[in-house]
Formats: sequence, structure tokens, C-alpha cells
Amino acid sequence: DFVMTQSPLSLPVTLGQPASISCRSNQSLVYTDGNTYLNWIQQRPGQSPRRLISKVSNRDSGVPDRFSGSGSGTDFTLKISRVEAEDVGVYYCMQGTHWPLSFGGGTKVEIK
Amino acid sequence: VQLVESGGVLVKPGGSLRLSCAASGFTFSDYYMSWIRQAPGKGLEWVSYISAGGDNIYYADSVEGRFTISRDNAKNTLYLRMNSLRAEDTAVYYCATPGGSHWGQGTLVAVSS
Repeated sequence: DFVMTQSPLSLPVTLGQPASISCRSNQSLVYTDGNTYLNWIQQRPGQSPRRLISKVSNRDSGVPDRFSGSGSGTDFTLKISRVEAEDVGVYYCMQGTHWPLSFGGGTKVEIK
Repeated sequence: VQLVESGGVLVKPGGSLRLSCAASGFTFSDYYMSWIRQAPGKGLEWVSYISAGGDNIYYADSVEGRFTISRDNAKNTLYLRMNSLRAEDTAVYYCATPGGSHWGQGTLVAVSS
């Protein structure tokens, strides 16, 4: 099975400051079609999960441009350029390249 | 796109339950669908997947042999039949479209005596 490892587990951030979350997989996430099915999911407190980014770096509709994704192969990063209060929550990476689908353990973003 | 789960209740260990997910706003029959769960205070765990036509199905090891995913494309509805329920199956169950692009609000399944 694939293992997705996120770090850090907890990320206290000052409002207006940047934040960065790492996601590593134990095998390459490049699929046979050439795409890399690595997505980033946000879950605000008390809400359902919401996808922010698909295929490493494609922002979903309505996602602020302060969110960006990057990476390749087995190493990926989600960056928030300037953290706002509404960004508080848990962020998960999710791989859809190999079965079974799997999620990272989550990174909790909180305001200092 | 709207996904509305239902069917979650309190059930005793060993009991059974069927969850439903009513889909609207997209061509349901064109897409594979997934069930994903979240135990209280825990992370996300993929449970099961079904292809658009229902001919390809996968399960997480933790539910293999106990859960059955199915769909009715005429009714735009996804199902999850859950048998031999255990305490560790207690979770909010979400249905989701491919790649997690859309999620429902979730339905809570609690397994306890």
C-alpha cells in the first residue's frame, strides 16, 4: 500500500505570514497517463472536506490564489502565501494514482 | 453539484445499515464514486470505490467482506451496505466525486452497545 506522510502535524502561523505543508509518498505518484494525481483537501472546523488543488498545482474554482501547490514524483508542497483567519483547519494530501486511494495524516493550521 | 448522504444511525455491534448518497447537478452515470469515512477526531480514510458502470469495485482492507458498494444510475444514487458492524466503524461517512472534487455533508454511523 501507499503511505502518504505529511509534516508538520501542527502549524501555528501568524496572520498574514506564509505557511508551508509537506507531503511525501513512498512511491512515485506519476500515473501511466503522465498525470500526477496528488490533491490537497481542506477541512475547516465542523465542515465537510473541500478540495483546493488537483493534480499537484491546479486550483479548484473559487480557491483563493494565496493557495498554491507544487512538487513532483514523491515530494509535494502546499503553500499559503499569507494566512487568513478563514484558513484555520486541517489540510490533507490525497493520492489518486494507485489503489487504494490514500490520504496523508493531516496538518492542523492554527493562528498563533 | 450536490451530494446528500443519509442513513446514518446508532447501531449495535454486529448490526447492519445501508447508507445512501443522492447526487445532483452532474451526470452521475459518467463518474466513479467513492465512500470516505472519518472517525471522531481522526483523519480521512477511503472506504470504497465504484466505477461509473458499477463493474469495477474496490474496498479498503478494513471493510472488505463486510461492506458492499452499489449504485443506481437511474436514481442518481450511491449506496453502501454495511454488515457485521464494529465499534471501529464509527465515523462520519462521506460520498465524494472523483478526486475528491465534491463531498457531501456526511452521515454519522455510531456502533455501540
